[in-house]
Amino acid sequence: KNEVEQSPQNLTAQEGEFITINCSYSVGISALHWLQQHPGGGIVSLFMLSSGKKKHGRLIATINIQEKHSSLHITASHPRDSAVYICAVSREAAGNKLTFGGGTRVLVKP
Amino acid sequence: ETGVTQSPTHLIKTRGQQVTLRCSSQSGHNTVSWYQQALGQGPQFIFQYYREEENGRGNFPPRFSGLQFPNYSSELNVNALELDDSALYLCASSSIGWPTEAFFGQGTRLTVV
Repeated sequence: KNEVEQSPQNLTAQEGEFITINCSYSVGISALHWLQQHPGGGIVSLFMLSSGKKKHGRLIATINIQEKHSSLHITASHPRDSAVYICAVSREAAGNKLTFGGGTRVLVKP
Repeated sequence: ETGVTQSPTHLIKTRGQQVTLRCSSQSGHNTVSWYQQALGQGPQFIFQYYREEENGRGNFPPRFSGLQFPNYSSELNVNALELDDSALYLCASSSIGWPTEAFFGQGTRLTVV
């Protein structure tokens, strides 16, 4: 079993819909990262969180440390949100090394 | 734009050859990590360099090696290339503080034929 599991693997939504991506992890962590990867390959960091909730524009990330679970929400989705969203965890004992989930491929149709 | 640049962006090599990939880290960052991302999968940790020393290594054979230079730029070297080495190679720079955000380059797509 992978240390970091994401669901769903693929998601198709209509423009304007609310999107939720889930991430579960099996190890103790110091921080959880949500990242976005566009078809060109480059990865952009969206959030780094170790507790509670963070919001940036239409994106919201939450984490429940006790349940080892995090969610990324996209409100009022737009075709430009189409990308692969990746959850990753880091542990202080492992330095800044990231352990990644498999990613969720999101397609938002106009 | 993260300030992390990788070169080249694309590369085609023949099985058995050697390749060097380069990464310039963001100003002020002294830690560089390298990841391999096979098609359709999440990135896998190769190794990390901090102040020119290897500071952790993933499950990759010794033919994957690296260097970090005094200006904190880094190289990833792969010897005796195999077809399975075809992947996107990503570098990420960060500071050594905790917790710290990682900033990724655009990646180098390596194809081994």
